[in-house]
Amino acid sequence: DGGITQSPKYLFRKEGQNVTLSCEQNLNHDAMYWYRQDPGQGLRLIYYSQIVNDFQKGDIAEGYSVSREKKESFPLTVTSAQKNPTAFYLCASRQGPSTGELFFGEGSRLTVL
Amino acid sequence: EDQVTQSPEALRLQEGESSSLNCSYTVSGLRGLFWYRQDPGKGPEFLFTLYSAGEEKEKERLKATLTKKESFLHITAPKPEDSATYLCAVRPLKAAGNKLTFGGGTRVLVKP
Repeated sequence: DGGITQSPKYLFRKEGQNVTLSCEQNLNHDAMYWYRQDPGQGLRLIYYSQIVNDFQKGDIAEGYSVSREKKESFPLTVTSAQKNPTAFYLCASRQGPSTGELFFGEGSRLTVL
Repeated sequence: EDQVTQSPEALRLQEGESSSLNCSYTVSGLRGLFWYRQDPGKGPEFLFTLYSAGEEKEKERLKATLTKKESFLHITAPKPEDSATYLCAVRPLKAAGNKLTFGGGTRVLVKP
């Protein structure tokens, strides 16, 4: 079945550590996105990529980094510079520029101890 | 600045008690409005896309409508399995990267 796979589902991090969240899709979608979700708030865009080897900052990119070396993969690194990293992280993809809806993975919950 | 506001924040319904969720938006040109359902600890699941005022879409007990300033998600005779958070998002005409702007969601609890 086609879809978006995020891993790990749960992750615990000590302060000062970098962690990388994986996002893989087999939908052959061009664009991929990372959103952050906090309780009571809307999803906020961290980074997005419309083609391989290209990505753009979203609204809250500080303290995060990404890469897009393959069409199917868009990993997100949460660095020690991110001041409040505890959140639910969602990866999404979109088929092409003419389609609007995003398809989401199951999410990764990061907790900083 | 593009904004999406959903109300109410939370809604408790008895099974069979119909109700409506509101999504008000401010955008410089609307390219599409989207509704998603999200279960606890899961990613959002796509429900509907609406493109122009007057448009309606239906799926089982859910019906989404759109005006120039807001969208409604009507839940008719809800069942406990309709309990979830419902998210609304807009795609502005000139959004960089075709990104979506999301509202805060409405948590719906349907009691048997």
